[in-house]
Amino acid sequence: SYVLTQPPSVSVAPGKTARITCGGNNIGGYSVHWYQQKPGQAPVLLIYYDSGRPSGIPERFSGSNSGNTATLTISRVEAGDEADYYCQVWHTGGHQGVFGGGTKLTVL
Amino acid sequence: QVQLVESGGGVVQPGRSLRVSCVVSGFTFGTYAMHWVRQAPGKGLEWVAIISNDGSENYYADSVKGRFSISRDNSKNTLFLQMNSLRVEDTAVYYCARESVVTVYFDYWGQGTLVTVSS
Repeated sequence: SYVLTQPPSVSVAPGKTARITCGGNNIGGYSVHWYQQKPGQAPVLLIYYDSGRPSGIPERFSGSNSGNTATLTISRVEAGDEADYYCQVWHTGGHQGVFGGGTKLTVL
Repeated sequence: QVQLVESGGGVVQPGRSLRVSCVVSGFTFGTYAMHWVRQAPGKGLEWVAIISNDGSENYYADSVKGRFSISRDNSKNTLFLQMNSLRVEDTAVYYCARESVVTVYFDYWGQGTLVTVSS
C-alpha cells in the first residue's frame, strides 16, 4: 500500500512562513490534496490538485508537488491557522484513498 | 447550500453490527461518488470506503474489507455504511464526504458521527 509521511508537528511565529511536507514514493506523479482540521470540527478542503485553492481559501495558502515531496506553504501565519493539516492522494492502482498522518501546526 | 448530515452512531459491543447513514442536500446526489472517512480519538484521518455515483462500484480499505459495506439510495439522497463484526479498533468518528467531479478529493464533509465499540 502507498504511504504518505508528514512531520507530526510544525511550529512557527506569527507573520512567518510555515511549510508542511508530505513525503511519498514518486508523489510528484500523484495529485495531492490538503485539508485543514480544527479541534472538534470536520476537515476542510484547503488545496486540491497540488496547488489549486477552493473559493474562500486565502491566498496565503499554497501548495507544490515534485519528486518525492509535496509541500503546503502558509505565508504570514496567523493564530487562527493553528490546526491539524493532512495531505491526501488517491492510489488508483489499489482503488484506495491515502491520508498522511497529519501535522499539528502550532503558532508560537 | 451543500449539506451532509451523518447519524446512527452509538455504543456497540465487539462483534456486533451497526449502520450509519448520511443524508445530503444542496446538490444532485446521484451525480457524485461518495466516501466514508474515519478518525479514531486523537488520531489522524483514515479513508474507509468509496461508492460510485450509481452504486455499481465500491472499494474498501484493507482494515474493513469483508466486514463493512457501503451503499446508497439515490432516491432518498442517503449514503450508508453497514459495519459488521465490529472491533474495538473501529472506534472513531465516521465522516461522509463528497468526491469532487474532477478527481478524488473530498470537497464537502459532514460533521461526523461517533461509533464506540466497547464491552
